[in-house]
Amino acid sequence: GEDVEQSLFLSVREGDSSVINCTYTDSSSTYLYWYKQEPGAGLQLLTYIFSNMDMKQDQRLTVLLNKKDKHLSLRIADTQTGDSAIYFCAESGGNTGGFKTIFGAGTRLFVKA
Amino acid sequence: DAGVIQSPRHEVTEMGQEVTLRCKPISGHNSLFWYRQTMMRGLELLIYFNNNVPIDDSGMPEDRFSAKMPNASFSTLKIQPSEPRDSAVYFCASSWGLASQETQYFGPGTRLLVL
Repeated sequence: GEDVEQSLFLSVREGDSSVINCTYTDSSSTYLYWYKQEPGAGLQLLTYIFSNMDMKQDQRLTVLLNKKDKHLSLRIADTQTGDSAIYFCAESGGNTGGFKTIFGAGTRLFVKA
Repeated sequence: DAGVIQSPRHEVTEMGQEVTLRCKPISGHNSLFWYRQTMMRGLELLIYFNNNVPIDDSGMPEDRFSAKMPNASFSTLKIQPSEPRDSAVYFCASSWGLASQETQYFGPGTRLLVL
């Protein structure tokens, strides 16, 4: 079935760039998302990219999509301690998932001051 | 808008007891999702509704779990009887529709501990 995989942990220093990577299996996915979960809270949509795009930039966030390799990345420039959270990659609109949004396990980002 | 509202925020109960989790979606949203999050299994979709009708409940773990949506502004997830392995954070999310580009808005979650 459909699957979304991402590394579990990432540690960076404050001010550095963070890059969180994700791979997915459903080549027919239409939308790919990045959600952020802060401690004790629900998931919050950060950004999303349509499958016919290669890149999307939104302030400190840059999303890169390599559709051929089914690889999605989220770059956070000038990472701050407030960026410490769990980041979930997700996809929807694929042939197998249908209306479901399929989430990865989440990457826990630690930002060291 | 207040966002998706879930209650209770925390629930501690003993094995065998009935647990009812509640959710109020964002007004105007016609799709509602129940998720379960654990360290071991990550985020799992349990069931989702569209226009108050259950569309896919294939993620519901077993018959002890049931969900209802009697109207557009309220849904419940019930576990009866509860077991320690049901301990998790349960999230409710809602969206405008079921189209693949519709963003899901998550509630703060209910942290359930079954002793």
